[in-house]
Amino acid sequence: DAGVTQSPTHLIKTRGQQVTLRCSPISGHKSVSWYQQVLGQGPQFIFQYYEKEERGRGNFPDRFSARQFPNYSSELNVNALLLGDSALYLCASSLAALTAAYEQYFGPGTRLTVT
Amino acid sequence: AQTVTQSQPEMSVQEAETVTLSCTYDTSESDYYLFWYKQPPSRQMILVIRQEAYKQQNATENRFSVNFQKAAKSFSLKISDSQLGDAAMYFCAYRSAPNTGNQFYFGTGTSLTVIP
Repeated sequence: DAGVTQSPTHLIKTRGQQVTLRCSPISGHKSVSWYQQVLGQGPQFIFQYYEKEERGRGNFPDRFSARQFPNYSSELNVNALLLGDSALYLCASSLAALTAAYEQYFGPGTRLTVT
Repeated sequence: AQTVTQSQPEMSVQEAETVTLSCTYDTSESDYYLFWYKQPPSRQMILVIRQEAYKQQNATENRFSVNFQKAAKSFSLKISDSQLGDAAMYFCAYRSAPNTGNQFYFGTGTSLTVIP
């Protein structure tokens, strides 16, 4: 079975631009979470979506938004890019969001560089 | 907000020996979950082990075990019989209960080197 997939693998954008990152969860998984991992640090939680609804939100500005589609894939959008947005963006999927059996499976990430 | 602290940026261990990675966290919640994740150089994060806060028994998964001290808010990972494939960045993570935000918090990681 395919794991979590993310596209694109790498992306270079200019300050002020907008970017959309995509994630396809493991088949059968209904929850998708997004994380930002700055070089040398641990991942920081951005959003969790379950059944197309936002179920959790981290401490990120409104420039960050996300959505989940009927097929449970997800997009993360970042507007008005700043240099500090340069990071590895990780997507993780799980069967459900509100149960104790909450094992996340991570994708390989999208490396975003803002110049 | 909850915080997760990993005070060992780097650790090394001889192959076949045992190593313990430390993690402490700060929370006022009574219901939560703790995790150790492994991120090899290829960067895909893999779950190593999970502990529910309401369980007193320490979790074990083959060569991996934890020492969960709830009162001390400590959650260390012990790797026994270390193998070359264990070399990676290890992250400790905390997850709030669903009714308190369902957020994940990660530590800054410990880079583990396994010496042949």
